[in-house]
Amino acid sequence: EEQLVQPGAEVKKPGESLRISCKVSGYNFISNWIGWVRQMPGRGLEWVGIIYPGDSDARYSPSFQGLVTISADKSTTTVYLQWTGLRASDSAIYYCARHGVDASKTWRYFDLWGHGTQVTVSS
Amino acid sequence: DILMTQSPSSLSASIGDRVTITCRASQNIDNYLNWYQQEPGKAPHLLIYGASNLDSGVPSRFSGRGTGTDFTLTISSLQPEDFTTYYCQQSYSTVGGYTFGQGTKLEIK
Repeated sequence: EEQLVQPGAEVKKPGESLRISCKVSGYNFISNWIGWVRQMPGRGLEWVGIIYPGDSDARYSPSFQGLVTISADKSTTTVYLQWTGLRASDSAIYYCARHGVDASKTWRYFDLWGHGTQVTVSS
Repeated sequence: DILMTQSPSSLSASIGDRVTITCRASQNIDNYLNWYQQEPGKAPHLLIYGASNLDSGVPSRFSGRGTGTDFTLTISSLQPEDFTTYYCQQSYSTVGGYTFGQGTKLEIK
């Protein structure tokens, strides 16, 4: 079964570092880009960035560039989203999602989602 | 960056109604427009890709249309499970990210 498995929650203090994971299973890890999406409490979806696990080519939204780092580990088929200095405003649910393409390789979309990791940053 | 604007932000309707949600892009995105449904407390899931292609398993009461900058999602006959939130997303350009609309919450009247 194709799955993206994320930890349910992480609690940190402001200024701390954090790396959340997205474990891929059930399909070829390097066949698809993987993205991250943020959802702040009661708010909509925000595209954070994506990574191609084959060569770790990563692209970021300007809103998140320099604030987070996306990485991938082929040996463990896991994608990560990392912060080095958390702020209270980083509190949100973070979803990882597979970037699929249709059979004609024309259309691009998130076709497989993790359940999300609730990140809480509070003193 | 491509800005996606959905309207309305919320919509009240009754079971059996036909409803349409609109999504407008700030520049031409051809047909690179996806629609997602998100139930409370759950991850989003894909409904429509390429503006009009239903993802596997999506009921035929959902349909998408549009090209360029203006797109619509129509639900032909609302069912109880359809009262949730819908998002559009452009996948035309990663410059600025594959941005989402702000969402439309569909509420039961």
